[in-house]
Amino acid sequence: DVKVTQSSRYLVKRTGEKVFLECVQDMDHENMFWYRQDPGLGLRLIYFSYDVKMKEKGDIPEGYSVSREKKERFSLILESASTNQTSMYLCASSTAGGFQETQYFGPGTRLLVL
Amino acid sequence: SQQGEEDPQALSIQEGENATMNCSYKTSINNLQWYRQNSGRGLVHLILIRSNEREKHSGRLRVTLDTSKKSSSLLITASRAADTASYFCATTRLSSYKLIFGSGTRLLVRP
Repeated sequence: DVKVTQSSRYLVKRTGEKVFLECVQDMDHENMFWYRQDPGLGLRLIYFSYDVKMKEKGDIPEGYSVSREKKERFSLILESASTNQTSMYLCASSTAGGFQETQYFGPGTRLLVL
Repeated sequence: SQQGEEDPQALSIQEGENATMNCSYKTSINNLQWYRQNSGRGLVHLILIRSNEREKHSGRLRVTLDTSKKSSSLLITASRAADTASYFCATTRLSSYKLIFGSGTRLLVRP
């Protein structure tokens, strides 16, 4: 079974802090994604990566950056956390073929920025 | 704007009954996927139906796709309390490779 893990289930940070969210997948998938999920807005794509060191902006990249130094690991960075980044963050991975294929999700990180 | 919109937003049924959720979308698609999300957890892929398919089954799940009406339905037969979750449709458009999620249907199956 595909396993996608995220470093934290719950995280509380203060405004202005730099925040790292880590995601690891164990199925040698080429593609990895970061989404945020907010009530009434569904899932929105922040960034995705189709290969090591490759990244593409999604729909809402402002205030975020990403890093993919190894194939299995995709990090989301909040450079200076703000209260409007309080959200549920979901990582996903898929095989080559991109968005056409099934995405496998991690359990999510619920981030609260005070 | 969101590509997929689920209907109803919320559904409450008795265990053993069937649950039907609908998804409508606006532009032509490559495929449509259904995902389930248990409260506060990640999404789990249920089924993928391609634009040239009309119906697909997986266990107690039945998905239909009507590209002329730009709609899909997910039927869960003989529902169980463990089916309580939110269900999302997600589409990939011909003009884009992004996966666009709807806002979901919250299903409550009462024991």
